[in-house]
Amino acid sequence: NAGVTQTPKFRVLKTGQSMTLLCAQDMNHEYMYWYRQDPGMGLRLIHYSVGEGTTAKGEVPDGYNVSRLKKQNFLLGLESAAPSQTSVYFCASSSIRDRRDTQYFGPGTRLTVL
Amino acid sequence: TQLLEQSPQFLSIQEGENLTVYCNSSSVFSSLQWYRQEPGEGPVLLVTVVTGGEVKKLKRLTFQFGDARKDSSLHITAAQPGDTGLYLCAGAGSSNTGKLIFGQGTTLQVKP
Repeated sequence: NAGVTQTPKFRVLKTGQSMTLLCAQDMNHEYMYWYRQDPGMGLRLIHYSVGEGTTAKGEVPDGYNVSRLKKQNFLLGLESAAPSQTSVYFCASSSIRDRRDTQYFGPGTRLTVL
Repeated sequence: TQLLEQSPQFLSIQEGENLTVYCNSSSVFSSLQWYRQEPGEGPVLLVTVVTGGEVKKLKRLTFQFGDARKDSSLHITAAQPGDTGLYLCAGAGSSNTGKLIFGQGTTLQVKP
C-alpha cells in the first residue's frame, strides 16, 4: 500500500514551458487536492476534486489546470510556467468513509521555474 | 475568507524546555488539525479536534481546541531533538469537500 505518490520529485523548467504533475493514490479515496507550499505561507489549495470527472478551484487556481479522469489519479498542469510558480507542490487525498478533513499527503514535487 | 494565524513562526529551544504554539482565527471551524512535516516530506496528521474545549494528548504533546472553535494550541512538554520539524495547523469549514485552510506553520528547532 503505497498511499499517495507524486511524479516527478524534482523538476526545473524555463519560463513558458509546460508540464504535468501526476498524483496517484491507492486508497480508493474519493477526494483529492493539490496544494503549493511557499516559505512562511503554509499550504495553499490550488484545485481539488470530490470525485472522478469533477474538479473545482481552490484558493490560488490561476495558471494551473487539473484533470481527474480516473479515481486514483489527479493531474496538475502548468501550461506556461512562470517564475512565480516556483514552489513545492503537494497532493493529498481523503475519504468520505472516514473524516473528509483527514488528508493523506504525498512526498511533494519541488519545481523551479527559471 | 477564512484565515488562520499561527504563532510563533520560528522557535529555537534547548532540549527539556516546554513550548506552546498558537493557531488563531476570527472564523469558526468544524474541526482543527495539527500536522507535522519533516524536510523533504509531506505533512503527517498528528491529531484532529472537533469539539469546543476539547483536549487531546499524544505522549508529550497536548492539543486544545478553543471553546468557540476559533483557535487551538499545541503544547510540548520537555521537548526533545526528535520534535524538530515544521508544525502546521489546519481548519476545516462546514462544507463537505474536506477542504482545509492552513496556518503559516511553526518551524521548531530543539537543540541537544
